[in-house]
Amino acid sequence: EDQVTQSPEALRLQEGESSSLNCSYTVSGLRGLFWYRQDPGKGPEFLFTLYSAGEEKEKERLKATLTKKESFLHITAPKPEDSATYLCAGFNSGGSNYKLTFGKGTLLTVNP
Amino acid sequence: ETGVTQSPTHLIKTRGQQVTLRCSSQSGHNTVSWYQQALGQGPQFIFQYYREEENGRGNFPPRFSGLQFPNYSSELNVNALELDDSALYLCASSRGTGLYGYTFGSGTRLTVV
Repeated sequence: EDQVTQSPEALRLQEGESSSLNCSYTVSGLRGLFWYRQDPGKGPEFLFTLYSAGEEKEKERLKATLTKKESFLHITAPKPEDSATYLCAGFNSGGSNYKLTFGKGTLLTVNP
Repeated sequence: ETGVTQSPTHLIKTRGQQVTLRCSSQSGHNTVSWYQQALGQGPQFIFQYYREEENGRGNFPPRFSGLQFPNYSSELNVNALELDDSALYLCASSRGTGLYGYTFGSGTRLTVV
């Protein structure tokens, strides 16, 4: 069964204090690894897709990396507006069954 | 371009009732997926529709059913509601299989009492 595990479950940082979120996955036939940001009561907002091990993508203070077993979301000098739940998801297809398998997310709080 | 819109935003139903949730996909997208997100959990895949045909289903019972219309909008129907069906229901649209990204709506918060 496909599985995505995120750690830590919650992370509290001071503004400017860099850190990393982890996403480990066992997804059969992984075709892409997605990162989303979710604010309370809202739908997930797309951040990145990584397609192959060794790939890296950056957006403002965020950088996502991918290995064959896990992905990291690095947050450099975070600001309070970066506070949100960050979700990781593996995309695969079993036959014609295309789907995202999500982790439970990491709740990030950045204090001013 | 317009994003994904879902209606209603909130809904309260009684156990045993039936509910229909609606989704309009983003312009240019022909695939719609539905996810259930319980409190404190990640979204769980329910099913996906491409060109009005279901082309993928997660581990949800048959009382969860759906439709996709020629304009690529979609409905999620849930019969015989149970208390555990209380969750945020998310609709996501994409082009083709979804490999190049899904756009999610803000969801419908369903409470079953």
